[in-house]
Order: sequence, then structure tokens, then C-alpha cells
Amino acid sequence: AQSVAQPEDQVNVAEGNPLTVKCTYSVSGNPYLFWYVQYPNRGLQFLLKYITGDNLVKGSYGFEAEFNKSQTSFHLKKPSALVSDSALYFCAVRERPGYSTLTFGKGTMLLVSP
Amino acid sequence: DVKVTQSSRYLVKRTGEKVFLECVQDMDHENMFWYRQDPGLGLRLIYFSYDVKMKEKGDIPEGYSVSREKKERFSLILESASTNQTSMYLCASSLSGGGNTIYFGEGSWLTVV
Repeated sequence: AQSVAQPEDQVNVAEGNPLTVKCTYSVSGNPYLFWYVQYPNRGLQFLLKYITGDNLVKGSYGFEAEFNKSQTSFHLKKPSALVSDSALYFCAVRERPGYSTLTFGKGTMLLVSP
Repeated sequence: DVKVTQSSRYLVKRTGEKVFLECVQDMDHENMFWYRQDPGLGLRLIYFSYDVKMKEKGDIPEGYSVSREKKERFSLILESASTNQTSMYLCASSLSGGGNTIYFGEGSWLTVV
């Protein structure tokens, strides 16, 4: 079975500082990995995904994530945080080709202070 | 852009009522999904559909049913609403295939009193 862990319920960072939101996964085969962001009272917006190839994936709004197979991690990063990045972030995994559903982590609230 | 539209953003229903949550997507996606979101629990899959009239149970199907009579429309049905079904419901869609992105609607907040 596939699973995702987001070990931090909340991450606090000052504006202008780099941010990292952590994600680890468990699958029996090769993973497809996704990050989504949710603003208050809104649906989830797609940020980026890892399918294959380069371990560093670049996405929307200046976010990037690094796939690390040995550590089974897919941490979300941004070099310089903005107050507007404050939101709930979800990591998700899909285990195998053709298997359509995503399994989500519990989410990490990112708070960026001015 | 992909658009997934959930017809009702906020609903208040009474215990025992039958509730319909409607979802429409405009990108000819094969797959459609219903998730439930609760604080501290993340998103949990209720049902998904990979084709018209086809459905599969997700992680928490109890108390729910679904209908997909047309490719673009996927309905979630609460046969007899209960207070523990008060939640945020998210509809989503995607093309078939593991690497394809799942796109979400804006969500429906359901309160059962």
C-alpha cells in the first residue's frame, strides 16, 4: 500500500528566508509524487510533480522539490518565502503506472511572517 | 485551463436528508474522484470513477454512493446524512495514466445539523 508522511503540522518562516516543507513516502514500486497548495476555503491547486528524470523538479510560484529515492523523500523548497505563500501544503503519491488515485499526506501549514 | 466545477459551495442539511453533491469537468477526463477533507486527517478518498457508469470504492465509502451517467459529471450521494458527515468535499478529475495531474474543484462545505 502507498502512504505519505508530512512530519510537521506547521512550518514557520520569516519572509525572505528559504523554506522547506518535508514529505516522505512509502511505495512498493516507483513513485509518482505531487505537491498541492490550498488557500483558505479553496480547493487544491497543483504545484509540481515528479514522474521520472531529473530529481529536481521546478513548479509554480517559484517552488521546487527534490526527489531522493534513497531517503524516500520529496521535500518542497523555495529560496525566498513570501507572506502570500502562507497556506496548507499537501504531498501526495501514486504507486504505479495506471493506478489512478493519489494518497495524500495530512498537510503542513506554512506560515510566513513579515 | 482545466475547470472542475462543484455546483454548491456551502450546504446545510438536516440529519436523515438525502444529499446530492454535483461535480462537472470540462476537459474530457476519464477519471473523476470524490475526496473528503477533515482537519488533521488530510484528504481521504471516498469513491472514484474511471469511466462512465464505472466506480470503485476508496478508503471511506461507507454512507456514500456515487453516480456517473455522463463522462463530464460525477455525483456524490449521501443517502441519509449524519452529523459525522459534516466536512469539506472535494471533487477532482484527471486523464487516465499514473503520471497525469489530478485537478480539483473549489470544494463543497457540507454541514449536517
